[in-house]
Amino acid sequence: NAGVTQTPKFQVLKTGQSMTLQCAQDMNHEYMSWYRQDPGMGLRLIHYSVGAGITDQGEVPNGYNVSRSTTEDFPLRLLSAAPSQTSVYFCASSYSLEGPNSSPLHFGNGTRLTVT
Amino acid sequence: KQEVTQIPAALSVPEGENLVLNCSFTDSAIYNLQWFRQDPGKGLTSLLLIQSSQREQTSGRLNASLDKSSGRSTLYIAASQPGDSATYLCAAMFSGGYNKLIFGAGTRLAVHP
Repeated sequence: NAGVTQTPKFQVLKTGQSMTLQCAQDMNHEYMSWYRQDPGMGLRLIHYSVGAGITDQGEVPNGYNVSRSTTEDFPLRLLSAAPSQTSVYFCASSYSLEGPNSSPLHFGNGTRLTVT
Repeated sequence: KQEVTQIPAALSVPEGENLVLNCSFTDSAIYNLQWFRQDPGKGLTSLLLIQSSQREQTSGRLNASLDKSSGRSTLYIAASQPGDSATYLCAAMFSGGYNKLIFGAGTRLAVHP
């Protein structure tokens, strides 16, 4: 099992450019999410999905779009990159975060994004 | 506002010491709490998940406790080893905030030989 796979590992963008961060999982997880990690601030939730066709906003959704057309994939789109979006982005998945059978969150290795 | 805090931000201990990492949260209506480990340049690895109905969970040398009334969780590491050096983060899901984990900023642990 590959687990959660994120591509690319590194990316440099100029202000105003757009790009898509890819995330795929092979564990048949219903829940998928995107976080950004900034120094001293912990991880902050950008968007999440509880199944194909269902997405919702997290704590810091502005400037980002997501879609979930399949169970396996959950891409994150930056519409018009800004220097404030310089960060490390993590994708994570789980069978479910709720209920008596809530299960741990599995993380990818991250994408380090720099916007100049 | 629901917040999760981890103090201290960094900790250095000699090998073999038993240690406790702290996690505090502002809302007692917690649904569950997870502890993670993060190695430099890597993603997070889940260590333990505690449901609100549980008081503690154990895995090997690790034991995590949850006290909703005091708003605290602790991660106990027994007989620490240099390989335990990493950043440890806790994350809580609160009732009313389902499917949204709120993370603490983490405690960076260094275990020296």
